[in-house]
This record gives sequence, C-alpha cells and structure tokens, in this order.
Amino acid sequence: GAVVSQHPSWVICKSGTSVKIECRSLDFQATTMFWYRQFPKQSLMLMATSNEGSKATYEQGVEKDKFLINHASLTLSTLTVTSAHPEDSSFYICSARGSRRNNEQFFGPGTRLTVL
Amino acid sequence: AQTVTQSQPEMSVQEAETVTLSCTYDTSESDYYLFWYKQPPSRQMILVIRQEAYKQQNATENRFSVNFQKAAKSFSLKISDSQLGDAAMYFCAYRSAGFGNEKLTFGTGTRLTIIP
Repeated sequence: GAVVSQHPSWVICKSGTSVKIECRSLDFQATTMFWYRQFPKQSLMLMATSNEGSKATYEQGVEKDKFLINHASLTLSTLTVTSAHPEDSSFYICSARGSRRNNEQFFGPGTRLTVL
Repeated sequence: AQTVTQSQPEMSVQEAETVTLSCTYDTSESDYYLFWYKQPPSRQMILVIRQEAYKQQNATENRFSVNFQKAAKSFSLKISDSQLGDAAMYFCAYRSAGFGNEKLTFGTGTRLTIIP
C-alpha cells in the first residue's frame, strides 16, 4: 500500500512553454501533498505544501506565479511550471500523506524536467 | 527554523561490514520525528527508519538501527552486514510533530558506496 505515482517521469520542453506534472496517491487519500525540487547531487528542497481544496503554501524564495500548484482532489496534485527556462531544469519530487497525525510521507518516483 | 546536518558527504564500507552515518540537527521543539531516507540511483525516496523523539528506545529495522541522542541532538544510522543493494544516497530528515506542520527538512545527504 501507500503508492504515489508521478507523471510524466521525464519531460523535455522548449524555453517559454509550460509543463504540468501530476502526482497521484493510488491507494490512499492524501490530505496533504508536498512538492520538492532536487538539483544534481543535492538534497531535496521543499517548494510548497498543498492541502486538498485550499491554496498551496510556498516556501520562501519560491515564485508562486511560476510554480502553480493545484490540489483539487484527495488523490491528485499538479505542479505547473509556467514559462519554463533552462534554470528550471531539475528533478521534481512529490510526496503525499494521509490524515492521521503521525502519517508518514510517501514519495513519488520523481519527474526529470529538462528545458532547452 | 530547524536545520539538519550531515557532515559526511561520502562513505564507503566493505560488503558484510558495518557502517555508521552521522546526522545532527538543531531545534527548539521537544516533540518531533527523525527519519533516514535512502535514495538509490532510481531516485525513488525510500523510508529506511523513523524515530519519535519522545521514545527513548532506539528504532531498529532489521539490519538498520539508529543511535538517537536527544540531548546531543544526534541521530546516527548504523547499517549492519552491508549489502550491495545498500549503495545509495542517505538523507537524514526532521519533521515537527505539530499537526499542520509536517514538512520535512532534509540534510545534504551521504553517498554510501559498498565495496564488494
């Protein structure tokens, strides 16, 4: 149980285009989802936290107008990178947790974004 | 703000031997969780072990155990009988126990190499 999927697993796009990444909890209801960014050989940096049905909470320094997060249902959150540029190229990872207080986060397999 | 420090960027161990990965953290909270995650080349984050701060007993999961020193704010991971499949990046992470504040703060990671 507790499987989280991400789609696509990798994407290449041209500079200036927008890219949408989906994060799904397959066998549980995720009241909270988290989006992380990981540069090569670096740690995971939290970008934002989203709760179902409410606006995402962004970490300091993350542009909310550039990284649009939608958590419209208990099993789906999306991250849209708008007007992507080469510096947005990175590995994006989502995680999801259930509603209980000590529920752990379950991670998706990640999405590699390359912006040309 | 909480911080997590992993002072060993790289470690190596002979197969079947034991290795200890270090982690220290800084927090003013008394109730929290600590985690060790493994990230193999596939980039999928895998939970190795978790520790609740209120528990004095060190967590153990098969070949993996921790040495949790709350006063010293230290949380090391011991891997016994190292196997080739243990080769990965290992991240130490902190999470507040307060409901509504479940974001994970990661350390910079330790790359573990297993020598056959």
